[in-house]
Parts: sequence; structure tokens; C-alpha cells
Amino acid sequence: AQSVAQPEDQVNVAEGNPLTVKCTYSVSGNPYLFWYVQYPNRGLQFLLKYITGDNLVKGSYGFEAEFNKSQTSFHLKKPSALVSDSALYFCAVRDGVYGGATNKLIFGTGTLLAVQP
Amino acid sequence: GAGVSQSPSNKVTEKGKDVELRCDPISGHTALYWYRQRLGQGLEFLIYFQGNSAPDKSGLPSDRFSAERTGESVSTLTIQRTQQEDSAVYLCASSLLAGTDTQYFGPGTRLTVL
Repeated sequence: AQSVAQPEDQVNVAEGNPLTVKCTYSVSGNPYLFWYVQYPNRGLQFLLKYITGDNLVKGSYGFEAEFNKSQTSFHLKKPSALVSDSALYFCAVRDGVYGGATNKLIFGTGTLLAVQP
Repeated sequence: GAGVSQSPSNKVTEKGKDVELRCDPISGHTALYWYRQRLGQGLEFLIYFQGNSAPDKSGLPSDRFSAERTGESVSTLTIQRTQQEDSAVYLCASSLLAGTDTQYFGPGTRLTVL
């Protein structure tokens, strides 16, 4: 079965420093990976996704993620953190074969990012 | 353009009552998903609609849960005889097609069962 793991419940970083939020995955076949962000009392906002192609994916708000097949990882990164980046971040993998009956997302448990001023 | 909308934003009900949650997907999106997010946890898949195909109900936790979708528009998630463990945020998402298309989420309905 497909799964993702976010090993850190919380990541603390100072404003202006680079940030990394970790995600590892386990899939059979090609992985289709996503990052979402959730601000308090809000729904999930899409940040970026990896389907195929370049291993470095660029997304919204200056975030990027690096797909690493050998390490089965898809870590989210940003060169310089902002206080406004503080939120809950979810990694997800799409379940099922393309065109098949099931296309749900399987989510990690989330990582709370706290950026200190 | 308009995103996914959900109503109500908050619902407080008593144990044993039935509730209906509504989702309006982005216009033209053929795929619609319901997820549940319990406090401090990730999202759990509930049900998936794709066009006129039979829905994937594999995530529904019990027969008290059901959902319908009218064509490629509004969907309603119904929970009968609510229990306290049903308290959660219920999120709806839609995508243009299924597969690798991005799912866009609504703001959710926070359900509290007393």
C-alpha cells in the first residue's frame, strides 16, 4: 500500500534561515507526490507536485521540493523562511494507477513549521 | 475564479442526530473528493466521485456515512445518528480530471457532536 511519512511533528527555524520539511514515501510504481499547506482554521492550499521530469520542483510562495528516488524522499525546502510561512504542512501521495478507480490522496500526519522572528 | 465552497462552516449537533454537509466544487471539475481531518491528525479519505462512474466509497468508516453528487456539481455528505467520534473537520476537494490533476480544497466544515 502507498504511504508517506513525515518524521518531524514540528520544525523550528529563525526568519531568514533556510527551512526543510521532510517527507519519505513508499509506493509501488511511479510516485505522484504533493505538498499542501494549512493555515489555522483554513482548508489546504496546494504548494507543488511531482509527477515526472525534473527532480527539483518549484511551487508557490518560493517553496520547492526535491524528489530523490534512491532515498524515496520528497523534502520541502525554502531558501529563506518568513514568519508568515508558519503553518501546518502536509505531504501526500496519490493512490492508485492512473485511470484506475481510485485516485485519492494519502496524507502524512503533518509537520508544524514555526518561524521565529 | 471561485474556489471550492463548503457549507456550513461550523455545525454543532447532538449525538444521535443526522447532519448534511454540502460541497460546491470548482465549475467544470469532474472529480470530487471528501476527506476527514480529526484534531491533530492528517486527512483520511472518505469517498470519491468521478463523472458518471460509480463512486469509490472505500473510505467511508461505517454505514452511517453516505454521500451523493448531482452530475458534476454539488455533493452532499450525510452522517446519520452522529457519534462523538464523528467530530472532525470535513474537507471537500475537486480536480479537473482524476489521475495526477491537482486537488483543490474547500475551507472545510467543522463538525462538533455533543
